[in-house]
Amino acid sequence: GQNIDQPTEMTATEGAIVQINCTYQTSGFNGLFWYQQHAGEAPTFLSYNVLDGLEEKGRFSSFLSRSKGYSYLLLKELQMKDSASYLCAVRDSNYQLIWGAGTKLIIKP
Amino acid sequence: ETGVTQTPRHLVMGMTNKKSLKCEQHLGHNAMYWYKQSAKKPLELMFVYSLEERVENNSVPSRFSPECPNSSHLFLHLHTLQPEDSALYLCASSQDLASGADTQYFGPGTRLTVL
Repeated sequence: GQNIDQPTEMTATEGAIVQINCTYQTSGFNGLFWYQQHAGEAPTFLSYNVLDGLEEKGRFSSFLSRSKGYSYLLLKELQMKDSASYLCAVRDSNYQLIWGAGTKLIIKP
Repeated sequence: ETGVTQTPRHLVMGMTNKKSLKCEQHLGHNAMYWYKQSAKKPLELMFVYSLEERVENNSVPSRFSPECPNSSHLFLHLHTLQPEDSALYLCASSQDLASGADTQYFGPGTRLTVL
């Protein structure tokens, strides 16, 4: 079956760096997405990776290794507003998005 | 604001009621989606429409009935729901289905409680 694994919850300190990991097993691969979802709000798009390597976008970076079925989202200079759930999703060979259950990130002062 | 709106934001209904959820996108997209989001579970894709034609129905119970009258509007009609149907229902839209980089834009969701 198809599966996306990510930690349920992580805690980090304001100003620090945190890495949220995502491993996947899917039938085919057509890209990996990261979304941010604040409590009670819509998921919003953060990043898309289809080739191996690191994509940097301001304080957020996303890494992909297709051979390892692995990605991570790196958040630098953490701010309180970064407290949210982070969703990993993989597009499979049928172009359907397979979603992880999300990682709840708690930022402490 | 993502360009996708949903109404109502909150809905409480009994098991014998009939209600409808509405979604509207202002992005000129061709594809629209209904998802169910339950606590600590992955998003569950329910229905997909492309150019107003249904292209995906992931074994959803018949008590959920979608309708897509045009490319900007999507409805989810609800009847004789069960308490386990209580969840956040999210609508999303995207430009096209068959592009790997196609990004989905989500509405704020309807929080549904079935009593």
